[in-house]
Amino acid sequence: DAGVTQSPTHLIKTRGQQVTLRCSPKSGHDTVSWYQQALGQGPQFIFQYYEEEERQRGNFPDRFSGHQFPNYSSELNVNALLLGDSALYLCASSFGGGLAKNIQYFGAGTRLSVL
Amino acid sequence: SQQGEEDPQALSIQEGENATMNCSYKTSINNLQWYRQNSGRGLVHLILIRSNEREKHSGRLRVTLDTSKKSSSLLITASRAADTASYFCARGELTGGGNKLTFGTGTQLKVEL
Repeated sequence: DAGVTQSPTHLIKTRGQQVTLRCSPKSGHDTVSWYQQALGQGPQFIFQYYEEEERQRGNFPDRFSGHQFPNYSSELNVNALLLGDSALYLCASSFGGGLAKNIQYFGAGTRLSVL
Repeated sequence: SQQGEEDPQALSIQEGENATMNCSYKTSINNLQWYRQNSGRGLVHLILIRSNEREKHSGRLRVTLDTSKKSSSLLITASRAADTASYFCARGELTGGGNKLTFGTGTQLKVEL
């Protein structure tokens, strides 16, 4: 049973470019959440997708957008990249239903460097 | 913004000793969770404690929760070199799709041989 998979592992972009990160959830999971983790900090919640809709959003600008597909996989898009967008981007999946016991499983992350 | 603060920021102990990490948060919780992260990669869920629980155990881990003080602690007993990692507490907020996690700043634990 594959866990949460993210691609690519590493990515280097220049300021102003656009980037798309991908995530495949753990088998049986229907909810995907995205987090940004700057160096030396804890992860910060970007948004969460459930039933192909954005259900919750953290304090991130509209440059950050996402999508969830019918197979529950998800993409994170960031437009007009800034140097400050350099971070580890983590995807987490869980089984929805609003139950506290449904813990999140994290992928290994995509490390984005913006030059 | 990050809700929680872990204390200490860094902790270095000898193998076999116990490690205690503390977490404080600012707003009410549905649940509080602890995660481990090795070398800046993915996070691994360790334990979840609900707001109506006071203590929970899992193997060598013991978590306590004091909602009146808005604080939690994670105790790792008989530590091993493999426990070297960053540990984060996360406030769990229920949404339609499950938990939204708000992480603290983390404690870097180093266990030396």
